[in-house]
Amino acid sequence: EAGVTQFPSHSVIEKGQTVTLRCDPISGHDNLYWYRRVMGKEIKFLLHFVKESKQDESGMPNNRFLAERTGGTYSTLKVQPAELEDSGVYFCASSGRRNTIYFGEGSWLTVV
Amino acid sequence: KQEVTQIPAALSVPEGENLVLNCSFTDSAIYNLQWFRQDPGKGLTSLLLIQSSQREQTSGRLNASLDKSSGRSTLYIAASQPGDSATYLCAFRYSGNTPLVFGKGTRLSVIA
Repeated sequence: EAGVTQFPSHSVIEKGQTVTLRCDPISGHDNLYWYRRVMGKEIKFLLHFVKESKQDESGMPNNRFLAERTGGTYSTLKVQPAELEDSGVYFCASSGRRNTIYFGEGSWLTVV
Repeated sequence: KQEVTQIPAALSVPEGENLVLNCSFTDSAIYNLQWFRQDPGKGLTSLLLIQSSQREQTSGRLNASLDKSSGRSTLYIAASQPGDSATYLCAFRYSGNTPLVFGKGTRLSVIA
């Protein structure tokens, strides 16, 4: 069974550009989470989808971040326009009924 | 605001040594606590999950304990090996599908 997959694994963009990160959760997992770790800080929650609905988006830092989950399958996280402080690693995770959470390997974003 | 503290931030031990990693949290009203491992450039791998009603969980050479009243959890690694070198993170949840709250992690190096 495939795990949580994220794309791209690494991205370097200039300040002001747009980046879209994609996450494919484990098949059948209704819960999908986005987390972020910036340099020197702990991993922090961004938002939580249950199927296609946003259950909790209290961790989204500002309106430059937009997350979607089309049809309750894969999810995208768009940063537009990107700022230097957005650099970090963006993790996606999913869980099913048993609440065991599985993480992807992360998308490493560098804004220059 | 709940805070999760992990001490030490970094630890270096010789191969074969037993070691303890510490995690403390300020609010005892947690649902469960989880220990993760992160290898450099990789995602998070769940090691042990302790429900709030449990005191400890064991998996192979790993043993995690939970003391809610004192707000502490420990991860005990027996007979450490170089392959145990990684960053270890603790995280908890307030309820079943609420976001994980992470500590900053302990970076462990096991020297052959």
